[in-house]
Amino acid sequence: EVQLVQSGAEVKKPGESLKISCKGSGYSFTRYWIGWVRQMPGKGLEWMGIIYAADSDTRYSPSFQGQVTISADKSVSTAYLQWSSLKASDTAMYYCARQLVLNGAAFDIWGQGTLITVSS
Amino acid sequence: DIVMTQSPDSLAVSLGERATINCKSSQSVLYSSNSKNYLAWYQQKPGQPPKLLIFWASTRESGVPDRFSGSGSGTDFTLTISSLQAEDVAVYYCQQYYSTPQTFGQGTKLEIK
Repeated sequence: EVQLVQSGAEVKKPGESLKISCKGSGYSFTRYWIGWVRQMPGKGLEWMGIIYAADSDTRYSPSFQGQVTISADKSVSTAYLQWSSLKASDTAMYYCARQLVLNGAAFDIWGQGTLITVSS
Repeated sequence: DIVMTQSPDSLAVSLGERATINCKSSQSVLYSSNSKNYLAWYQQKPGQPPKLLIFWASTRESGVPDRFSGSGSGTDFTLTISSLQAEDVAVYYCQQYYSTPQTFGQGTKLEIK
């Protein structure tokens, strides 16, 4: 079965660092791009950025550039999203999703989401 | 960035009736070299991740019921549910994948009247 499995929910304090993961299985991980999408409580979907699993070529939305870091480790078929210093406004659900061609395909498989709560 | 604007923000339709959701892009997402519109529709039910319904503006994803259809070209697109079922209650999003940053519409909440 083709799937993306994300790491579990996190509760963190402002200023803390965090790295969440998205593990692909059932397909050739290095053939696809993995994108990250934010959904703040009760709000819509926001495209954060995307990484090509084969060579870690990464593109960011200007809204998220410098705020997060996207990385991947093809040896374990996993993509990551990390923060160096969390803010309360980072509280949201974060989804990963795969895309066969950058700017050439839709997100056809999504992870189940990782809920991040940042509160003092 | 390409701005995607959906209308309406919310919609209530009776069971068995047609539901229509519109999506407008701030610039064309039609790639002239292959005549394809780089536009997708997703369905998100409460507590679930989004699910791909339609890509290339009008191609249904495998397993999606044929009551869902997509149409439009260039900057104006429509998602139509021909006969609303109870399980179609969800929020629907359009997305352009023509250029980065890829962008989503704000969502349309579909409910039963």
